[in-house]
Amino acid sequence: GIQVEQSPPDLILQEGANSTLRCNFSDSVNNLQWFHQNPWGQLINLFYIPSGTKQNGRLSATTVATERYSLLYISSSQTTDSGVYFCAVPNAGNMLTFGGGTRLMVKP
Amino acid sequence: DTEVTQTPKHLVMGMTNKKSLKCEQHMGHRAMYWYKQKAKKPPELMFVYSYEKLSINESVPSRFSPECPNSSLLNLHLHALQPEDSALYLCASSQDLRPRANVLTFGAGSRLTVL
Repeated sequence: GIQVEQSPPDLILQEGANSTLRCNFSDSVNNLQWFHQNPWGQLINLFYIPSGTKQNGRLSATTVATERYSLLYISSSQTTDSGVYFCAVPNAGNMLTFGGGTRLMVKP
Repeated sequence: DTEVTQTPKHLVMGMTNKKSLKCEQHMGHRAMYWYKQKAKKPPELMFVYSYEKLSINESVPSRFSPECPNSSLLNLHLHALQPEDSALYLCASSQDLRPRANVLTFGAGSRLTVL
């Protein structure tokens, strides 16, 4: 099945810093979603981005489908950005398969 | 507030108990999902319902029994669970299962502890 790898696995930032999270996938996809899971377990859908670039406030995402990767940019990070960021792509059955996640801690 | 509501938020049960997790959405979505998430791991798909019919069962043990009474409700019935079943159980919904329509909205989860 499709493989999804995220890097880095862990990231510690000082408040106000910028960061880039990466998601590599092993096969062509028609769907890619980025999620943020807060420390209480709530998963929030950040972006549906099978290709191209989208921006939402301090967050933006870019997917280069032909090269099989996606990037999530966080600018001017805040403590509320802490948590785990997952990317997910569909498997052969069109069900989303999640990467291992990037655990982000933003320190005040 | 999340548009997918899960109850209870926390559940502690013994191995001989029978309990149920409930999930409700009012977005008109026709696909609903159960995921299981262990600590420091990504969510893993358990079941998918499409138009109130079971579409996918990812080889889940029979001690987990899903039910979709109508298009807004999804239940997960639990019976004779094991301690290793302790996890965060997440419900999600999407418009339907078409490739560009399965954008997931998750509930806040039910954290289950089996003693």
